[in-house]
Amino acid sequence: GESVGLHLPTLSVQEGDNSIINCAYSNSASDYFIWYKQESGKGPQFIIDIRSNMDKRQGQRVTVLLNKTVKHLSLQIAATQPGDSAVYFCAENSNYQLIWGAGTKLIIKP
Amino acid sequence: DAGVIQSPRHEVTEMGQEVTLRCKPISGHNSLFWYRQTMMRGLELLIYFNNNVPIDDSGMPEDRFSAKMPNASFSTLKIQPSEPRDSAVYFCASSLRVDMAFFGQGTRLTVV
Repeated sequence: GESVGLHLPTLSVQEGDNSIINCAYSNSASDYFIWYKQESGKGPQFIIDIRSNMDKRQGQRVTVLLNKTVKHLSLQIAATQPGDSAVYFCAENSNYQLIWGAGTKLIIKP
Repeated sequence: DAGVIQSPRHEVTEMGQEVTLRCKPISGHNSLFWYRQTMMRGLELLIYFNNNVPIDDSGMPEDRFSAKMPNASFSTLKIQPSEPRDSAVYFCASSLRVDMAFFGQGTRLTVV
């Protein structure tokens, strides 16, 4: 029979607009979270991280928000550019390893 | 630093053959991870080394898979015998802290 792959959530954004990618995590005891970006044909690349004692952290054009009450993480990308097209993964630190989300595909419309 | 270096970038092999994937971690990093990525299952951790010692290999699918890290600058992932369902992109990653890993470009394995 035909195999069924993971159905990646997709976000389409107009170039220049802001993007918001959301992630729900599973372990309320997780104390560290990371966002990775994976471009086609490449390995995941670190974007930004946040510890559980913070609720917001800003980088260059990116902001991560953490809501521990509802176990929710979001990545905001300001003024989205064509080079931002990729799959974005959130990951939580559980013991000694990262627990990865399924990923969100970001598509930039010209 | 050149980053994590994996070889080969692409590998096509016939079912039943042995496949060896290679990884050179970033110098000074003490943790090394092997991941597999497929459309069906996403990104899966196969095995994790710390200071060249395998800490957790519970993600290794079966006995056909084995990984070694003979020294701090080299690791291999071997599949013997290979099967079509092993087709995937295999990533090696290294880190100083287990929670911020730097990934290689990956090896795309196709078993026919």
